[in-house]
Amino acid sequence: QSALTQPRSVSGSPGQSVTISCTGTTNDVGVYNFVSWYQHHPGKAPKLIIYDVTERPSGVPDRFSGSKSGSTASLTISGLQADDEADYYCCSYAGSYTVVVFGGGTKLTVL
Amino acid sequence: QLQLRESGPGLVKPSETLSLTCTVSGDSIGHTSYYWAWIRLPPGKGLEWIATVYHSGSTYYNPSLKSRVTISADTTRSQFSLTLNSVTAADTALYFCARHRFYGSVPSNWFDPWGQGTLVTVSS
Repeated sequence: QSALTQPRSVSGSPGQSVTISCTGTTNDVGVYNFVSWYQHHPGKAPKLIIYDVTERPSGVPDRFSGSKSGSTASLTISGLQADDEADYYCCSYAGSYTVVVFGGGTKLTVL
Repeated sequence: QLQLRESGPGLVKPSETLSLTCTVSGDSIGHTSYYWAWIRLPPGKGLEWIATVYHSGSTYYNPSLKSRVTISADTTRSQFSLTLNSVTAADTALYFCARHRFYGSVPSNWFDPWGQGTLVTVSS
């Protein structure tokens, strides 16, 4: 069982928006602003799409956005495209003992 | 452009030791702003962080794996390595190496870029 809880799957039609939640605790997401999100197309290297809760690396479209409220972080993808169909994982710093935790992953299906 | 490539055996017998190497090209692993990490993806499960190393030798481990894992860095070869002892079927996974932005003057926590991954199967 992963430390961070994500929905197993979400879906949306092209052009729509979807939000993926990532629920942690007051030991990780709730206390640190070090949440990152990754997009993984099977067979390829995972790709960083959000870091430090809301920041986008260079080259990542502004259709991808991140936020956080309490111990739950969220990734919103607007203007869904076929290529967005992938697995998405959240990650958080969790202090000097546990250090890093990931979510169980969410499969996004573009209908 | 920074690139990482994992290498190692695809099949390991139960109770034996898994050894993987990540070769980094396009930058030095001695870069002061970055650390280097191993992460795995078991079939049907989520990502699991295994360990992180700094070029100076500082290491950080997942508490659940710490007793079986060693991570090390070789700046002369621009490589870092992972060993996992006493493997079982539960260690079957796709193993990734990645650059880790971690502690430092501007602390953070993200992994980028990642290698393509190498599949390790534990079976007799």
